[in-house]
Amino acid sequence: KNEVEQSPQNLTAQEGEFITINCSYSVGISALHWLQQHPGGGIVSLFMLSSGKKKHGRLIATINIQEKHSSLHITASHPRDSAVYICAVSGWTQGGSEKLVFGKGTKLTVNP
Amino acid sequence: DAGITQSPRHKVTETGTPVTLRCHQTENHRYMYWYRQDPGHGLRLIHYSYGVKDTDKGEVSDGYSVSRSKTEDFLLTLESATSSQTSVYFCAISEGQAYGYTFGSGTRLTVV
Repeated sequence: KNEVEQSPQNLTAQEGEFITINCSYSVGISALHWLQQHPGGGIVSLFMLSSGKKKHGRLIATINIQEKHSSLHITASHPRDSAVYICAVSGWTQGGSEKLVFGKGTKLTVNP
Repeated sequence: DAGITQSPRHKVTETGTPVTLRCHQTENHRYMYWYRQDPGHGLRLIHYSYGVKDTDKGEVSDGYSVSRSKTEDFLLTLESATSSQTSVYFCAISEGQAYGYTFGSGTRLTVV
């Protein structure tokens, strides 16, 4: 079982719809990250959170530490939101150094 | 992303040849990471560094070596490239988990 599970794997929406992407993890973490990757593009950090909720523009990220679950919401979705959204958790290597463990990503397509 | 650059952006090489990818940062961050991204697997850690000359293996380190002789440069070497190493390689930097991560734009490597 992967340490970080995302759902859904693929998501198609119409412009203007409210979108939710979910992330569950099974390991102890210090923080959870939501990342965005446009086709052929680099990876951009959207949020880093260890509790509660964060908002940036139309994007909202929440985390429930007790349930080991996080959600990324996009309000009033737009075609430019089409990208792969990746959940990652901050953990530790066996040697005690810090590392990220990634989910496999959710591919979002927003149609006009 | 500003502060971190990867080179080359694209490379095609032949099986059996050595290849070196470079990650350069101007942020003076302590931690540097090499990941590979493959369909169905998400991002996986190859090697990481927690300081000059301090490196360690990640989960998919076989066939790869790294060096960090200066804070700003982290080199990834494929000692004898194989087709299974065809992938997109990302470098990331961090000053610690409390500060988040910044990713490079990626290097697309094709081994033929």
